[in-house]
Amino acid sequence: GEDVEQSLFLSVREGDSSVINCTYTDSSSTYLYWYKQEPGAGLQLLTYIFSNMDMKQDQRLTVLLNKKDKHLSLRIADTQTGDSAIYFCAESSTGFQKLVFGTGTRLLVSP
Amino acid sequence: DSGVTQTPKHLITATGQRVTLRCSPRSGDLSVYWYQQSLDQGLQFLIQYYNGEERAKGNILERFSAQQFPDLHSELNLSSLELGDSALYFCASSGPPGRGSYNEQFFGPGTRLTVL
Repeated sequence: GEDVEQSLFLSVREGDSSVINCTYTDSSSTYLYWYKQEPGAGLQLLTYIFSNMDMKQDQRLTVLLNKKDKHLSLRIADTQTGDSAIYFCAESSTGFQKLVFGTGTRLLVSP
Repeated sequence: DSGVTQTPKHLITATGQRVTLRCSPRSGDLSVYWYQQSLDQGLQFLIQYYNGEERAKGNILERFSAQQFPDLHSELNLSSLELGDSALYFCASSGPPGRGSYNEQFFGPGTRLTVL
């Protein structure tokens, strides 16, 4: 079945890089997403990667995909206090279907 | 601001009652998805509509139903409410096939439902 797992918590200092990891089980996952949720807010789409890609970079964000190990990571360069939030990994078998979400990783950035 | 709107923002009601949550997708988006976020279940897909038709169903209880209207807004109806239905309910929308946002789901701010 579909299962997406993430570590629950990550704490970093401002200016450091953050790496949030995710593993998934569905080998038919075609699209893999990263969403950010701030307290009391909805989910903000940060970026996504198609399964035939290994890497995608978007400003401070770098997504790495290891399809063989079914492992996805999100690297945030020069992490700022405003990056403190919960980050969700999600997968979809196609781009037009339900998202299966991980449990979310709470990122705490200290000054 | 994602462009997806949801009303109301908060809803407090009693067990056994019925409520309706409303969602307006982004302009031009034909697909609407409903998700439930709770502490014990996390984020779970409930149901998807595309251009007025139900397209996919997830872990949606029989007490819950949804529809998408000709103007593409959607409503999620929750009836015979139980304490365990207390959660954040999100609506998301995505663009039609052939459009750049076809693979992207944009989420509304959510409706927080509290059942007492």
